Amino acid sequence: DAGVIQSPRHEVTEMGQEVTLRCKPISGHDYLFWYRQTMMRGLELLIYFNNNVPIDDSGMPEDRFSAKMPNASFSTLKIQPSEPRDSAVYFCASREMNYGYTFGSGTRLTVV
Amino acid sequence: EDQVTQSPEALRLQEGESSSLNCSYTVSGLRGLFWYRQDPGKGPEFLFTLYSAGEEKEKERLKATLTKKESFLHITAPKPEDSATYLCAVRPAKGGSEKLVFGKGTKLTVNP
Repeated sequence: DAGVIQSPRHEVTEMGQEVTLRCKPISGHDYLFWYRQTMMRGLELLIYFNNNVPIDDSGMPEDRFSAKMPNASFSTLKIQPSEPRDSAVYFCASREMNYGYTFGSGTRLTVV
Repeated sequence: EDQVTQSPEALRLQEGESSSLNCSYTVSGLRGLFWYRQDPGKGPEFLFTLYSAGEEKEKERLKATLTKKESFLHITAPKPEDSATYLCAVRPAKGGSEKLVFGKGTKLTVNP
């Protein structure tokens, strides 16, 4: 199994631009999570899905952030418009019920 | 509010010098305490899950223990390849959520 696959690995964008981060979970996993990691705040949950349905989006910072999971093998996290304070590493993770959480390698986002 | 505090923030050891990392937590019911290892530029890698006070788990030079208020990750005779950031996370029982609440981690450096 290739694990959780995220793209791109690095993204540099200008303030005000739209950014889309992508994630392919492990096949058969029914939960998908988006986390953000910064030095100041550590790892914070943004949103998670169960069977493609958003369950808890209380961690999404504001309306500029949106996430979708159109099918079991693909999810996106979109930021529009992006701001410098959105600079962080964004991780996607998936899990199968009653098993551990597997994280992807992350997308390092820099907004200048 | 569910909270996880890890100490120390950073720890330097000589190869072979055993030590322990601490994870203190306050949570509205515990449905699992998780330990992860994170190498630079990579996503967290699952190590252990503990569910009840008194439980212990081991993997190579690592042993994790759990009490009602904290968990310890004991590292016996560490090697330079054990250098990484170790993350602790709890899964609260409230509402049956699947979210993990993370501490900020302990950065371990093992010198040869």
